[in-house]
Amino acid sequence: EVQLVQSGAEVKKPGESLKISCKASGYSFTTYWIGWVRQMPGKGLEWMGVISPGDSDTRYSPSFQGQVTISADKSISTAFLQWRSLKASDTAMYYCARQYCSSASCYPPSYWGQGTLVTVSS
Amino acid sequence: DIQMTQSPSTLSAAVGDRVTITCRASQSIDVWLAWYQQKAGQAPKLLIYKASTLEKGVPSRFSGRKSGTEFTLTISSLQPDDFATYYCLHYDLYSGTFGQGTTVEVK
Repeated sequence: EVQLVQSGAEVKKPGESLKISCKASGYSFTTYWIGWVRQMPGKGLEWMGVISPGDSDTRYSPSFQGQVTISADKSISTAFLQWRSLKASDTAMYYCARQYCSSASCYPPSYWGQGTLVTVSS
Repeated sequence: DIQMTQSPSTLSAAVGDRVTITCRASQSIDVWLAWYQQKAGQAPKLLIYKASTLEKGVPSRFSGRKSGTEFTLTISSLQPDDFATYYCLHYDLYSGTFGQGTTVEVK
């Protein structure tokens, strides 16, 4: 069974750093890309970026380039989303999702993690 | 950047109604459009991909259609389990853009 299990909720102060995780199981981790999606409170979904765990090729949405870092450790089948200095506006639910891409096209994410709620408040 | 404009933002409907949600792309995106359903407190669920292909296990009352740069999601006969928020997603090689979402609420 394909599963993406995300790390637990976090409460942080502005300026602190944070790394949340998404552990994959039930499939070959390096065959699929892992994407991250933000959902701010009461708002819609926003595509942040994706990573190919096999070679760590990473693509960011322009809105998130330079704001976060996406990484993966294939030895533990886990993808990460990281902030160096959190802001109150980073308060949101963050989802990871699995996406298949060939050299010619991609399928949309079909398996999703349960979400990690990040709260940034002084 | 490609923009996805989804409408309406809210839709009031009753069980049994035929419901249609629209997403318009700012330029041609071929068939690279998916539809998701999200219920409160849950992750999104994929309903349709490649504009009109039904994901496995999704009821046949859901359908998708493309006409130029306009895409529609239709629920032929709304069921109690269908009250939720729906999002379109333009997905491309390694990138994606969501629509703003449509909440289907009880009339």
